[in-house]
Amino acid sequence: AQSVTQLGSHVSVSEGALVLLRCNYSSSVPPYLFWYVQYPNQGLQLLLKYTSAATLVKGINGFEAEFKKSETSFHLTKPSAHMSDAAEYFCAVSDLTGTASKLTFGTGTRLQVTL
Amino acid sequence: DGGITQSPKYLFRKEGQNVTLSCEQNLNHDAMYWYRQDPGQGLRLIYYSQIVNDFQKGDIAEGYSVSREKKESFPLTVTSAQKNPTAFYLCASKFGQTTNEKLFFGSGTQLSVL
Repeated sequence: AQSVTQLGSHVSVSEGALVLLRCNYSSSVPPYLFWYVQYPNQGLQLLLKYTSAATLVKGINGFEAEFKKSETSFHLTKPSAHMSDAAEYFCAVSDLTGTASKLTFGTGTRLQVTL
Repeated sequence: DGGITQSPKYLFRKEGQNVTLSCEQNLNHDAMYWYRQDPGQGLRLIYYSQIVNDFQKGDIAEGYSVSREKKESFPLTVTSAQKNPTAFYLCASKFGQTTNEKLFFGSGTQLSVL
């Protein structure tokens, strides 16, 4: 079965600094990978997804992620953090082992942005 | 506006009581999902349904039940058998059964035990 591991449950950056949130995946087949963001007391919304079309994926709000097969990674980055980026971020992988279509989520990384 | 509506936003359960969380979508999506979110554990899949009148257990189905009588609705019942029900519950849906389609989420229900 596919799985993802998010390194670091909390990340703090200064406003304007680089954001780097780490995600490593485990999959026996080429995976579909996703990053979702959750603001307090809300559901999740999709930031970006990798579906094998291009290894560098650009998403909403200036975020992007690069799929690196050799490192089994799909880290999320943003060149310059904004206060509004403070939220919890989840990496997810799509289950390709059966006919069902479902996602397996990581444990999440809470991003704090300071002045 | 199209979307997913979860109700209520907050729910309290007494010992031995069954409670039902509502999830309605007007996106014409085939697949619907229930996730449970606990701090530090991310989202865990409870049940999912690919089509009407069909559903499958997820990773943590014990103590929960669902039904899918209509395409728009996928209610979740937290039974008295669920001994630790306090959590944030998220409903989601997506179009079709392909694995690269994104999920649309509701705004969640916070369930607490009295």
